[in-house]
Amino acid sequence: NAGVTQTPKFRVLKTGQSMTLLCAQDMNHEYMYWYRQDPGMGLRLIHYSVGEGTTAKGEVPDGYNVSRLKKQNFLLGLESAAPSQTSVYFCASSSAEIWVSLHFGNGTRLTVT
Amino acid sequence: GENVEQHPSTLSVQEGDSAVIKCTYSDSASNYFPWYKQELGKRPQLIIDIRSNVGEKKDQRIAVTLNKTAKHFSLHITETQPEDSAVYFCAARGGNQFYFGTGTSLTVIP
Repeated sequence: NAGVTQTPKFRVLKTGQSMTLLCAQDMNHEYMYWYRQDPGMGLRLIHYSVGEGTTAKGEVPDGYNVSRLKKQNFLLGLESAAPSQTSVYFCASSSAEIWVSLHFGNGTRLTVT
Repeated sequence: GENVEQHPSTLSVQEGDSAVIKCTYSDSASNYFPWYKQELGKRPQLIIDIRSNVGEKKDQRIAVTLNKTAKHFSLHITETQPEDSAVYFCAARGGNQFYFGTGTSLTVIP
């Protein structure tokens, strides 16, 4: 049982390049989330999904797009990377049950130069 | 939307002492409050949680209290050990979203 798996673990991009981060979960969770973590700012929600084929904006969605074509996968895309997107990105998933916590992936460290 | 505030941002304690981290939330509809521990370079991991219909929960050296009226909840770690050094995040769940505090960096001094 792998839980939540993120790929890649590290990536360096030049300004203007694009990339996709992949998140996969094997717990049959309905909800999936993408967060970014910056020093002193905690975890900020970028986008989330409450089910296959659905997505919604979080607190800091600008510059990112997401897709959830399959229940187990949630993709985060950066179309034109900017230095401000240098961060650690965490994917997480959760059941729809109220009193259930988030399960996090191991994170992706992205540097945009 | 929900707003979760967490204090202090940094905390240093001597080994064996207690540590307390406090959080407040704004939305009375929030009904689930997990706490996460994040070690350097690793993912946040759940250490304890509390439901809105419970006032206190303990798990060995860790306890969480919830005051729904005042909209605040706290993490208590007793008999701290060096391996408790990490960043701790509180969170509040309302519906399908989790709202996080900005974290507390705890250092336990041997």
